Amino acid sequence: NAGVTQTPKFRILKIGQSMTLQCAQDMNHNYMYWYRQDPGMGLKLIYYSVGAGITDKGEVPNGYNVSRSTTEYFPLRLELAAPSQTSVYFCASSYRGGLGTDTQYFGPGTRLTVL
Amino acid sequence: DAKTTQPNSMESNEEEPVHLPCNHSTISGTDYIHWYRQLPSQGPEYVIHGLTSNVNNRMASLAIAEDRKSSTLILHRATLRDAAVYYCILRLSNDYKLSFGAGTTVTVRA
Repeated sequence: NAGVTQTPKFRILKIGQSMTLQCAQDMNHNYMYWYRQDPGMGLKLIYYSVGAGITDKGEVPNGYNVSRSTTEYFPLRLELAAPSQTSVYFCASSYRGGLGTDTQYFGPGTRLTVL
Repeated sequence: DAKTTQPNSMESNEEEPVHLPCNHSTISGTDYIHWYRQLPSQGPEYVIHGLTSNVNNRMASLAIAEDRKSSTLILHRATLRDAAVYYCILRLSNDYKLSFGAGTTVTVRA
């Protein structure tokens, strides 16, 4: 299994541009997540999905949109990029979601810079 | 969110044990204690979790205090590949997210 894969690895955007960060998992996990990590900080949840067609906001959703049409894919859309969105973005997936025993599997991240 | 407190950094020599403490005095009875680590330039990876009893797996051991207000992650023989940021996280039974703090940065000296 490839696990959780993310593309691109790196990207530089100009202010006001848009882009989609891609995330895929091949573990047949129902739950998928997007986190961002600012330099020297822990991760913060942007959006999550409990299954195809179902998404919900996390702690820091402003400036982002998501969709989940299949189990495998969970793209994150940035509209009108701003310097405050410069960060490393991690996608994750898990099998059982909101249970105390749940384990999340993370992708390698996308490093985004907005200039 | 239930909070955890960890030291900012710890150093160890290669092949020696590392004991990483975590305080979680406001833990509730149904919260699981999880540990993740993040190697440089990588995504976090799961290490271990427990509820009340001590736990062992191939990566580490987790020792949980009897009152559950603290726990210790034990790396039995540190290697250079164990240099990472280690996060102690409380998993609420009905919460989807992992709440990451600043973690403990572990440095391993050769």
